[in-house]
Amino acid sequence: AQTVTQSQPEMSVQEAETVTLSCTYDTSESDYYLFWYKQPPSRQMILVIRQEAYKQQNATENRFSVNFQKAAKSFSLKISDSQLGDAAMYFCAYRSAGNSGYALNFGKGTSLLVTP
Amino acid sequence: DGGITQSPKYLFRKEGQNVTLSCEQNLNHDAMYWYRQDPGQGLRLIYYSQIVNDFQKGDIAEGYSVSREKKESFPLTVTSAQKNPTAFYLCVSSIGAFGQGAGELFFGEGSRLTVL
Repeated sequence: AQTVTQSQPEMSVQEAETVTLSCTYDTSESDYYLFWYKQPPSRQMILVIRQEAYKQQNATENRFSVNFQKAAKSFSLKISDSQLGDAAMYFCAYRSAGNSGYALNFGKGTSLLVTP
Repeated sequence: DGGITQSPKYLFRKEGQNVTLSCEQNLNHDAMYWYRQDPGQGLRLIYYSQIVNDFQKGDIAEGYSVSREKKESFPLTVTSAQKNPTAFYLCVSSIGAFGQGAGELFFGEGSRLTVL
């Protein structure tokens, strides 16, 4: 099974600054999807950004962008101009795009604290 | 509006009792999943189903059971055999099944189970 590793259990950033959350994964597949999900205290999971492995261009979504390094199996999330509302648990996730039809594999999460 | 509904949101159970968590979706999704979330553990897959009347064990299926008699419903039973059932449970659905594409995962609001 594919494994997803988030090496930073907690991160802190000041408001308006930039922070990068790291994620690495292990897979032998060539075609897959990578995701970052945000889980605020309400526990409702919110999709932040998605990346298709066959696309070389890094995905961006407003203040959120990723640095996708396929060869290194790395998928970091950069949050620019951090806002207090960005404080949450962030999960990196992997899903096969092949015929296995398997579910997402999640990392253990990074808790992001945003300070005024 | 389409979405996933989990119930109950909070549930208390005495040791030795079985309890069933409900998950209903009106998104016409084929794939449905149950995850368990514990602090520091991320989301761990319990069971998943990609089609009616079929389901597969995930990484931590012991002590749990599921059924998929209807496309829109995927209830999870936490049995007395589950040694540490206190946790937050998330139901998820997805368009993708059998390699039809990763799709996007849609999450329920979760159910918090506490064993007294």
